[in-house]
Amino acid sequence: DGGITQSPKYLFRKEGQNVTLSCEQNLNHDAMYWYRQDPGQGLRLIYYSQIVNDFQKGDIAEGYSVSREKKESFPLTVTSAQKNPTAFYLCASSRTGVNTEAFFGQGTRLTVV
Amino acid sequence: KQEVTQIPAALSVPEGENLVLNCSFTDSAIYNLQWFRQDPGKGLTSLLLIQSSQREQTSGRLNASLDKSSGRSTLYIAASQPGDSATYLCAVNSGGGADGLTFGKGTHLIIQP
Repeated sequence: DGGITQSPKYLFRKEGQNVTLSCEQNLNHDAMYWYRQDPGQGLRLIYYSQIVNDFQKGDIAEGYSVSREKKESFPLTVTSAQKNPTAFYLCASSRTGVNTEAFFGQGTRLTVV
Repeated sequence: KQEVTQIPAALSVPEGENLVLNCSFTDSAIYNLQWFRQDPGKGLTSLLLIQSSQREQTSGRLNASLDKSSGRSTLYIAASQPGDSATYLCAVNSGGGADGLTFGKGTHLIIQP
């Protein structure tokens, strides 16, 4: 089945640790995105990538880093510089172009312990 | 900066009723608008995509309308069922290309059996 796979589903991070969230898609989409969702808040864009080896900061990129070495993969690293990392993280993909539909993975819930 | 507002924040209705969820956006220069459904602890499921040149889209019991000039969209759910209980999110694509969506905070819908 075509889709977006995020792993792990749950992740626990100790203070000062970096952690990496995985996102893989087999939809042959060029564009991929990372969003953060907090309770009672809308989704906020962290990073996005329109093509391999290129990515741009979204609205809340501080404390996060990404890479795009393969079309299918767009991992997100939450660094120790992110002061409030506990949240639900969602990965999405779409074709490029102005009228394309975005598809989402099932999310990773990150908790700082 | 684009802002998206969804009203009401929460809604509880008996099974079988028809209902309307509202979405407004501040900048009418959008490329498209997308409605999503989110179940607790899950990712987003795309329901309908309306391009800026369209007035409405239908899928089964769902009908979404778009009035771009007034910055409004509605999602109409006919003959509601308990399985429709979820959070419904509205998102707009203002930047074109593949630079992400701007989301509302959602409407939490409960359909009482």
